[in-house]
Amino acid sequence: AQRVTQPEKLLSVFKGAPVELKCNYSYSGSPELFWYVQYSRQRLQLLLRHISRESIKGFTADLNKGETSFHLKKPFAQEEDSAMYYCALLNNAGNMLTFGGGTRLMVKP
Amino acid sequence: NAGVMQNPRHLVRRRGQEARLRCSPMKGHSHVYWYRQLPEEGLKFMVYLQKENIIDESGMPKERFSAEFPKEGPSILRIQQVVRGDSAAYFCASSPEGDQPQHFGDGTRLSIL
Repeated sequence: AQRVTQPEKLLSVFKGAPVELKCNYSYSGSPELFWYVQYSRQRLQLLLRHISRESIKGFTADLNKGETSFHLKKPFAQEEDSAMYYCALLNNAGNMLTFGGGTRLMVKP
Repeated sequence: NAGVMQNPRHLVRRRGQEARLRCSPMKGHSHVYWYRQLPEEGLKFMVYLQKENIIDESGMPKERFSAEFPKEGPSILRIQQVVRGDSAAYFCASSPEGDQPQHFGDGTRLSIL
């Protein structure tokens, strides 16, 4: 069975501070992982996926198979980063996303 | 491209009534997914459909819930004889192929009185 865990429901940081949103997974196959973000009053949108290895809005995430983690990082948080962040795992068949419980990031001025 | 469209945004039903939730995928997308989000929880997969076919319904309750994606028209998630525990946000997503990133709609918030 596949499982995604985001241990922090709420993460509060000051503007300019580094941010790390934790995500751990368990999956017997080869994982494909995503981060989705939901800003206030907006729909869930894809932030980044591990296979593209890109940085979006200053965020990066590295897949660590040894630690089964896919933590989301940003060196300097901005107020506009305040949102709900969901880590998600796609199964090998490519048809089912398993989501973590989400972490609410609050960036204070 | 208007994106994934879900309607209604909010739906209120009394216990025992039927709820019908609609989802129009993005243009060019033929794969549709339904997820449910209970309060204070993450999204949970319910069902995956392609045009006229249910591919995977492993996350959908066996009773009272059904989904379809007809040749013409939107995908429909139907909940019969609703109960209080069905109150949740129901999200639809679509993708052009099964292993492509899924794009989400705004969701339908279902409230059961």
